[in-house]
Formats: sequence, C-alpha cells, structure tokens
Amino acid sequence: EAQVTQNPRYLITVTGKKLTVTCSQNMNHEYMSWYRQDPGLGLRQIYYSMNVEVTDKGDVPEGYKVSRKEKRNFPLILESPSPNQTSLYFCATRPLAGIGETQYFGPGTRLLVL
Amino acid sequence: AQKVTQAQTEISVVEKEDVTLDCVYETRDTTYYLFWYKQPPSGELVFLIRRNSFDEQNEISGRYSWNFQKSTSSFNFTITASQVVDSAVYFCALSPRKGGGTSYGKLTFGQGTILTVHP
Repeated sequence: EAQVTQNPRYLITVTGKKLTVTCSQNMNHEYMSWYRQDPGLGLRQIYYSMNVEVTDKGDVPEGYKVSRKEKRNFPLILESPSPNQTSLYFCATRPLAGIGETQYFGPGTRLLVL
Repeated sequence: AQKVTQAQTEISVVEKEDVTLDCVYETRDTTYYLFWYKQPPSGELVFLIRRNSFDEQNEISGRYSWNFQKSTSSFNFTITASQVVDSAVYFCALSPRKGGGTSYGKLTFGQGTILTVHP
C-alpha cells in the first residue's frame, strides 16, 4: 500500500527544545516537500527536495532544517522551536516525471510550542 | 517574491449551481506554472491542472473549466453544475519554471477556498 508516514502525529514541546519530525514514503518518489498549514494562511512550503542530497528552500524556511540522505526519508528539524512554529505540518511526495502530479500527503503532525 | 491570493475564504452553493473560484497571482518570473489542487476531507492534495505561463488557452475538463488571463494575472476555476462531492478546499498555486525542462519544485499556494455544496 502506497504510504507517506509522519511521526509523531501530535507533539507538545517547549521553546528551544530541539525536535525532529520524520517523514517516510514507500513509493520511490523523487520529490518530497514539507508544508505548514495555518488558518487563514493556507499551505506554505517550508523546504522541498528534488532527489537525494538535493534540497531547496520554500517560502518559509526560517527556523527549519531538512536533510535527504535516502530517497524514502525527509526529516524536518526544528533546532530551537518557538511559539510561532505552532502549526499543522504536512509532508508530501510525488514522482518527478509524468502527468500524474497528485501530491501524496502524510497524515499531518500537529505541533504546539509553549 | 511571488504571491497567490484567493480572496474567497468560503463559498457555499446548492447542488447544480455553477461556482467560480478566483485566483490572482504576482510573480517576477517570466515563465512559470499555475496549478489548481483539491484537498478533500481525507487530506491529500489532488492535482487538477497545470498551466504554462505562455499558454493562455482556456481549458475544459468535464464539469471543470479554467480561465487564464495573463493581462490581469488571474487563473480562475469554474465548476459547472456543482455536486456534493465537489465539497473540499481548493488551492491555487504558482511555481517558477526553471531551465528548459518541465520539472518544478518550489510551490507558492494561495490561502485556499473552502467550497461547500449542499444537496
């Protein structure tokens, strides 16, 4: 079964405590991306990766880091979380080629930073 | 910096009504892609259409149609004879087109329009 998994699904943390949200896909997709979704602001892209070892900034990369050492994994790292990073985070994947451009989303990670 | 604006936060219609979702964009890139996605309650982002900046032909796909007007930087989406299954959040998005290929990476989304179709 095609899957995008994210962990954890829910997280409450405190300001400054480093955390990692993992994303893993089993579809062999080249492209992976992280988004945050906030009421009234819609979806905003944080970082994306076109393939292993190839990452680039989206519209709101400040305060986040990513890495793509393997094709299937694309973790999102918050080195020093702050309350304005409280949000719903989605990881997404899609193949680079072809016209089937649906992005497959993970279930989301709801993060609260106190 | 690029920007996408979907001024309609929520739209409510009755089944079989036509509905148009507005999208206005800003970009300094000379070549770019425009998209529409549908996000049903299940959460995935379903691709609906991609349009090249140099192709201003309107497109129709079943009950869906798109009107791209470069002069007004708009890319509007119309659903004809709406159905309850059309209820979802709809996102317009923009991506710069780099190089000669068709691939793209960075996506800027609008705020989304929540469409509710009542029976």
